[in-house]
Amino acid sequence: AQTVTQSQPEMSVQEAETVTLSCTYDTSESDYYLFWYKQPPSRQMILVIRQEAYKQQNATENRFSVNFQKAAKSFSLKISDSQLGDAAMYFCAYRSPGSNTGKLIFGQGTTLQVKP
Amino acid sequence: NAGVTQTPKFRVLKTGQSMTLLCAQDMNHEYMYWYRQDPGMGLRLIHYSVGEGTTAKGEVPDGYNVSRLKKQNFLLGLESAAPSQTSVYFCASTWGGAGNQPQHFGDGTRLSIL
Repeated sequence: AQTVTQSQPEMSVQEAETVTLSCTYDTSESDYYLFWYKQPPSRQMILVIRQEAYKQQNATENRFSVNFQKAAKSFSLKISDSQLGDAAMYFCAYRSPGSNTGKLIFGQGTTLQVKP
Repeated sequence: NAGVTQTPKFRVLKTGQSMTLLCAQDMNHEYMYWYRQDPGMGLRLIHYSVGEGTTAKGEVPDGYNVSRLKKQNFLLGLESAAPSQTSVYFCASTWGGAGNQPQHFGDGTRLSIL
């Protein structure tokens, strides 16, 4: 069974600086999808970025980018020019296309604090 | 668009009571999910549905039942609530199961069992 691990329960960053959140996963599949979700204090789950395993190019969405290392099974999230509104819990998630159920397997989450 | 709507947003129950959480989506999604979120454990899948009239067990199904009588609704039931079911519950939906389509989440229900 696939597992997702976020080894950093808490991180902090100074406003305007860059921070990287780590995520590793365990799978025997070669094709899969990876996601980062943001959960602010409002409790909403907001999609930040997604990556297809068959794509070598790292996904980017404005200030958010990923470092996808398939061989190392690593999927870290880099937030550039951090803003106060980035303070939230961030979840890494894995989806296997093989089962056709769309289920997501989540990591434990990393709480990001942004200091002014 | 409302997206995914969960009712209620908060609820306090006594041990042994029963209740139903309602999830409604207006995006015509086939797939729907119920998760629970506990500190330090991320979101764990309780039950899911890949279409109207279908349901399946997820990672932590014990103590819960679900029904998907209409495509747009997915109900989560607790027959006899236990303190271990104190959690935040999220419903989610998506188009299909094999692609990179993200799941869309409701705002969650905070449930406390005394």
